Amino acid sequence: GESVGLHLPTLSVQEGDNSIINCAYSNSASDYFIWYKQESGKGPQFIIDIRSNMDKRQGQRVTVLLNKTVKHLSLQIAATQPGDSAVYFCAENPSIKAAGNKLTFGGGTRVLVKP
Amino acid sequence: DVKVTQSSRYLVKRTGEKVFLECVQDMDHENMFWYRQDPGLGLRLIYFSYDVKMKEKGDIPEGYSVSREKKERFSLILESASTNQTSMYLCASSQTRVRGSYEQYFGPGTRLTVT
Repeated sequence: GESVGLHLPTLSVQEGDNSIINCAYSNSASDYFIWYKQESGKGPQFIIDIRSNMDKRQGQRVTVLLNKTVKHLSLQIAATQPGDSAVYFCAENPSIKAAGNKLTFGGGTRVLVKP
Repeated sequence: DVKVTQSSRYLVKRTGEKVFLECVQDMDHENMFWYRQDPGLGLRLIYFSYDVKMKEKGDIPEGYSVSREKKERFSLILESASTNQTSMYLCASSQTRVRGSYEQYFGPGTRLTVT
């Protein structure tokens, strides 16, 4: 029969508030991290990335924070808008020496923006 | 703009059928990837290719094979489809590390149902 997937964590946010999406990673050797946004019916789209020699990077309305000590990554979205409703994935590059530029993805967080 | 296209948005196949999923990218990228996406499990890498005719297994290659005869095209093959292969399949491509980025560009996905 059809398999049942795991529950997707959901963050419910009021329009105009700031959103914080968290991600834990396990590989202390990872040197690159990236956030993707996936809207319903579409493939993931790049939001922002950060290398391990940085602890903060800002884009348009988004900020990524990296805490290597506790292996934690977060994405902050300022003044959340209805168009921010989507599933957000973090990913890491697990091996800088491996061919192919692989990424390892987290399970995702769904963000629902309430009007 | 980078464009990654997938041959079908929706497919319904019967158990035991051989299934071909095609992916084409138009940016001369060296690397191409096939993922499957299931709720709460994120994106799991099936196979990837870092050059024409080169392929490597990802995390869940069982039941799948791939073909890359031309740089722009990467095919995923289900030799004998089973119901547990019902999923969303995403193709992606990337350039070998450019300016420290491992960004992958995704297609819109193919939702495959095996009955």
